[in-house]
Amino acid sequence: DIQMTQSPSSLSASVGDRVTITCRASQSIANYLNWYRQKPGKAPNLLIYAASSLQSGVPSRFSGSGSGTDFTLTISSLQPEDFATYYCQQSYSTLWTFGQGTKVEIK
Amino acid sequence: EVQLVESGGGLVQPGGSLRLSCAVSGFTVSSNYMSWVRQAPGKGLEWVSVIYSGGSTYYADSVKGRFTISRDNSQSTLYLQMNSLRAEDTAVYYCARALFRLGITQFDCWGQGTLVTVSS
Repeated sequence: DIQMTQSPSSLSASVGDRVTITCRASQSIANYLNWYRQKPGKAPNLLIYAASSLQSGVPSRFSGSGSGTDFTLTISSLQPEDFATYYCQQSYSTLWTFGQGTKVEIK
Repeated sequence: EVQLVESGGGLVQPGGSLRLSCAVSGFTVSSNYMSWVRQAPGKGLEWVSVIYSGGSTYYADSVKGRFTISRDNSQSTLYLQMNSLRAEDTAVYYCARALFRLGITQFDCWGQGTLVTVSS
């Protein structure tokens, strides 16, 4: 199975901060990488697909980059609703896998 | 409006069985890839299974041989039959559409989840 490793596991930030989360795959996955945000008690929602494409309806402060094994999710200006947990997910192999999550907390 | 509504969760003893359902509206189940994703209490997301539009199915190693994904096209419903349940299967189970776009799949629609608790 392809392992996905996110860093950091958690971070503290303030409203308006620029935040970067990284995701590393255990083997090359081209651009088969998606990002999700999950608020407490809610289902996840799709932010970025195919590494860098913004899902319809998602604010433009979210962006994604990378290919191969290393990927990045950037929030350009953190908003109150962005304090949540973020997951990367690969769909390169037949068996899909998620990263362990990055929790973004209020500083 | 797209909607996915899970049901069937509950308390079951170790070794028992349970069948989850996901009622879909707003799109055609048979024309899409449909998946189950679970989340143990306080833990991260774990992909469980997928059924492709052509009917092929795949499972995570942790559930292979114990869980079966299926669909009823006439009822627009996705199922997950769970047998030989273990304590580590305790989780909220989400159904999700795995949209195939730009050559890759992503989970673009999710249900609200149903809780399965395996305990004696």
